[in-house]
Amino acid sequence: ELKVEQNPLFLSMQEGKNYTIYCNYSTTSDRLYWYRQDPGKSLESLFVLLSNGAVKQEGRLMASLDTKARLSTLHITAAVHDLSATYFCAVDPNSGNQFYFGTGTSLTVIP
Amino acid sequence: DSGVTQTPKHLITATGQRVTLRCSPRSGDLSVYWYQQSLDQGLQFLIQYYNGEERAKGNILERFSAQQFPDLHSELNLSSLELGDSALYFCASSPGDTSYEQYFGPGTRLTVT
Repeated sequence: ELKVEQNPLFLSMQEGKNYTIYCNYSTTSDRLYWYRQDPGKSLESLFVLLSNGAVKQEGRLMASLDTKARLSTLHITAAVHDLSATYFCAVDPNSGNQFYFGTGTSLTVIP
Repeated sequence: DSGVTQTPKHLITATGQRVTLRCSPRSGDLSVYWYQQSLDQGLQFLIQYYNGEERAKGNILERFSAQQFPDLHSELNLSSLELGDSALYFCASSPGDTSYEQYFGPGTRLTVT
């Protein structure tokens, strides 16, 4: 069974600090996605990573993909309160056309 | 606003009933995907349609069915509802038949009592 695991599940961090969220997956895939979800809201696309070694940055967030290790990271730099949300990674296996979401990481940034 | 619309926003119904959720994709998008989000099972892919045809199937129960119409809107039909079907149902759309960057709708919250 395909697994997409994120850690940590819950993250409470102070403003100004750095931290990394990890996404491990158990299938062969060259495609990985990061989404943000605010409470009671829909999912907002953050990053689309389409090859090994892909790195993308937007503001205080940077995502990378290592397809050999089956690992993606979402790095948060100098966190601010507005980043508080739940972050999901999703994998699109090479063998099919389905999306498998991770468990989500609930991030709370404390002033 | 992603450009994907879903109706209704909220739905409350009783066990054993049948409901239909509707999704209109972004203008020009040919693929529609359906997802279920619940506390115990997380976000699960249900099914994908591309230009009217079923393209991929995930963890969709036999009591659930979907279709995509010629105008590209899609409907998800849930029947013989159980308490465990209470969840947030999202649809998403993308331009092609591959799942690169999907755009999610606001969701329909279904409560089964």
